[in-house]
Amino acid sequence: DAGVTQSPTHLIKTRGQHVTLRCSPISGHKSVSWYQQVLGQGPQFIFQYYEKEERGRGNFPDRFSARQFPNYSSELNVNALLLGDSALYLCASSLGSFTGELFFGEGSRLTVL
Amino acid sequence: SQQGEEDPQALSIQEGENATMNCSYKTSINNLQWYRQNSGRGLVHLILIRSNEREKHSGRLRVTLDTSKKSSSLLITASRAADTASYFCATDGGANSKLTFGKGITLSVRP
Repeated sequence: DAGVTQSPTHLIKTRGQHVTLRCSPISGHKSVSWYQQVLGQGPQFIFQYYEKEERGRGNFPDRFSARQFPNYSSELNVNALLLGDSALYLCASSLGSFTGELFFGEGSRLTVL
Repeated sequence: SQQGEEDPQALSIQEGENATMNCSYKTSINNLQWYRQNSGRGLVHLILIRSNEREKHSGRLRVTLDTSKKSSSLLITASRAADTASYFCATDGGANSKLTFGKGITLSVRP
């Protein structure tokens, strides 16, 4: 079975641009969460979506937004990119909305110049 | 903000030795999980221990939880070079899939 897939794997943007990151969860998983991992730090929670509804939001500015589609895939959008947005963006899926084991994708590494 | 804090920040051992990693957290939890990450790639779930459990085993892994001290430890026995990775503890205290991760421990296992 396919695991969590994310695209693109690497991308380079310049300040002020916007970016869209995509995630496909494991088949049957209805919850998708997004995490930001800055180099040398642990992942930080950005969003959780379950059954296409936002169930949680971390301490990130409104430049960050996300949505979940009827097929449970998800997009993370970041507008007006800053240098500090450079990070590994991780998507994780799980069966339900409550925390158990999370299954992570390989991440999208964003570099902002 | 980081809830968990792992200790030590870096650990270097010889293949075959045991590796012990510690994690402390600040608020009440539903469960505590340990994840492994190889070279900045995706995280892999290792083990989950619930707040009403004190010890759990999975293969070469043993995790303990002391809720009175708000701490957990992960023991990897008979370490292998392939265990070289970063290890993170993560706590769940809420009603959604939000996990709060620590900064991680870098484990190096020398062959």
